[in-house]
Amino acid sequence: EVQLVESGGGLVQPGGSLRLSCAASGFTFSTYWMHWVRQAPGKGLVWVSRINTDGSRTNYADSVKGRFTISRDNAKNTLYLQMNSLRAEDTAVYYCVRDLGGQRGYWGQGTLVTVSS
Amino acid sequence: QSVLTQPPSVSAAPGQKVTISCSGSSSNIENDYVSWYQQRPGTAPKLLIYENNKRPSGIPDRFSASKSGTSATLGITGLQTGDEADYYCGVWDGSLSAVVFGGGTKLTVL
Repeated sequence: EVQLVESGGGLVQPGGSLRLSCAASGFTFSTYWMHWVRQAPGKGLVWVSRINTDGSRTNYADSVKGRFTISRDNAKNTLYLQMNSLRAEDTAVYYCVRDLGGQRGYWGQGTLVTVSS
Repeated sequence: QSVLTQPPSVSAAPGQKVTISCSGSSSNIENDYVSWYQQRPGTAPKLLIYENNKRPSGIPDRFSASKSGTSATLGITGLQTGDEADYYCGVWDGSLSAVVFGGGTKLTVL
C-alpha cells in the first residue's frame, strides 16, 4: 500500500525555521518526481516546489524562492522541505505529492504549519 | 488571483450532470497536460484525471474531461451526494516554470 506520511509541522514564530519530512513507503521512491503543495486555511491549492528523481533538479514557486529548499534522501525514502524566514502567509497545510499530474499521482494527508507570534 | 480560472461554485441535483471549466493560456493549458483533483471536506486532494482526459484506476467513468485550446472541462454524470467536494484543475506553466492550479470549484449536489 502506498503511503506518504508528512511530519514536522507546528507553530513557529515569524522569521523562524521548520523542516518538513515526508516518509514514503509502498513504492519505489527513487523513481518518482516529488512535490510539495500547500493549502492555507479555507483557501485553494498552491504548488510550492518539486524535485527530480535523483535530487539534481529543483523548481520553486516565486513566493518561496530563496527561503525554502526541497531535498530528498532516496536511501531513507524521505522527502524534505526546509523552510526558513517563515512569514504569516506561509501558514498552511503542506502536502507531499508523488508524481503530481501523472498517472501515479498520490497525496499525503498533510501537515499543518502555523506561523504566528 | 489564480493563473487558471474556475467558477467558484456549481450545483445540480442527484443523477444529473455537471461541468466545471478551467481557463488558462498558451503558456499552460494549451501546451501541457491538464489534471483534475477532488478534495472532499477535511481530506487530502485525490487525483481524478491526468493527461487531459485519462482516469486512474479506481475512478469511475462518471468522471470525464476534455481540453480545447486554452481551456479544459471536467464533467461528472449521474451525480451522487458523495461527489460533493472541491474540484481543482492543475497544469505546468512554461512561462512561470511552476505548476499552477485553478482557484477551485465547490460542487453542491442539491
